[in-house]
Amino acid sequence: NAGVMQNPRHLVRRRGQEARLRCSPMKGHSHVYWYRQLPEEGLKFMVYLQKENIIDESGMPKERFSAEFPKEGPSILRIQQVVRGDSAAYFCASSPRRGSYEQYFGPGTRLTVT
Amino acid sequence: EDKVVQSPLSLVVHEGDTVTLNCSYEVTNFRSLLWYKQEKKAPTFLFMLTSSGIEKKSGRLSSILDKKELFSILNITATQTGDSAIYLCAGYNTDKLIFGTGTRLQVFP
Repeated sequence: NAGVMQNPRHLVRRRGQEARLRCSPMKGHSHVYWYRQLPEEGLKFMVYLQKENIIDESGMPKERFSAEFPKEGPSILRIQQVVRGDSAAYFCASSPRRGSYEQYFGPGTRLTVT
Repeated sequence: EDKVVQSPLSLVVHEGDTVTLNCSYEVTNFRSLLWYKQEKKAPTFLFMLTSSGIEKKSGRLSSILDKKELFSILNITATQTGDSAIYLCAGYNTDKLIFGTGTRLQVFP
């Protein structure tokens, strides 16, 4: 049973480019969470999605960031016009249902903006 | 605003020592407190605590929650070099985990 998968594992972008981070939840999980971890900091919640719905995006920056979880395919976190401050590790977690305490984390995507 | 604070930020011990990691929280709609271990990759789940005063144990690790004082501790006895990691505490509200900044534990032989 494959765990949460994220790709790419490492992504380098120049300032102004777009970054697309993908997350495939565990089999049978339809709830996805994105967290960001800045250097030397804990994980910060960004967004919670269910298939085709954004449930909670209270942690998403107001501009340049968007997320989706289509009916088919992985969840995507998109960052437009990246800046150096976007450099971080982005983790995705999945759970089987809303209100489940168990969130299983993927290996993360380390984004470096040069 | 929801807040989870961990202390100490960093801890350096020798193999065989016992350590106590602290976590205080202020989380709206609090449901449970979770502990994770992170070693340069995905956080791995250690414990979930929902009820006050009930200790959970897994080998040399144990944890307990105090919902009156909004506090939890994680104990590691007879530490080993493989315990070196960042230990994250998180409060779970309705839909998301609120993480602390973590305690970085280094265990030297």
